[in-house]
Amino acid sequence: DAGITQSPRHKVTETGTPVTLRCHQTENHRYMYWYRQDPGHGLRLIHYSYGVKDTDKGEVSDGYSVSRSKTEDFLLTLESATSSQTSVYFCAIGANTGELFFGEGSRLTVL
Amino acid sequence: AQSVSQHNHHVILSEAASLELGCNYSYGGTVNLFWYVQYPGQHLQLLLKYFSGDPLVKGIKGFEAEFIKSKFSFNLRKPSVQWSDTAEYFCAVNDLTGGGNKLTFGTGTQLKVEL
Repeated sequence: DAGITQSPRHKVTETGTPVTLRCHQTENHRYMYWYRQDPGHGLRLIHYSYGVKDTDKGEVSDGYSVSRSKTEDFLLTLESATSSQTSVYFCAIGANTGELFFGEGSRLTVL
Repeated sequence: AQSVSQHNHHVILSEAASLELGCNYSYGGTVNLFWYVQYPGQHLQLLLKYFSGDPLVKGIKGFEAEFIKSKFSFNLRKPSVQWSDTAEYFCAVNDLTGGGNKLTFGTGTQLKVEL
């Protein structure tokens, strides 16, 4: 398996609280991605990064922000969590060929 | 923006039956194509990929897919499924025309193989 670690793996929080999910890689890949997975929607891209401090929005970026201060770490922040953000979040790393390696996922429940 | 359609949302097969899962993407240009598999409770893993060359590609565990450019399709096949193939299957497209940095996924097909 590719060296990707997501933390936390499970989190329950309340509406309105901030949440940060962390993705850590040991593969030195340039590209890192955050997807959310929801039944009936497949995987949808939230944000991605193409280098340190270089990030861009995906198709469902509203309510999320990201930061990448080091090659190995990509943080996803929900500034004020809402119930619609209950989901499983996957980090992925890869090259611009599109081939991605996924982390184990972080299951977030917003009450 | 590119979109990906997977026509079968749920498929139930008996062991040894043949499998074909449909995948179409929305417009042409240069694309890289992928099938990923997600076993219950696990993360996505690459099943097979197409970049160029022979449009019939073979992946792991006996899966294969055929790229038909004129139909914008990349269907997944397996001649004889096993119970262990029970999983969710995702087709994905990387549109190189737009820089090729983002994968667009279909909504997935849940496959259940019965003994």
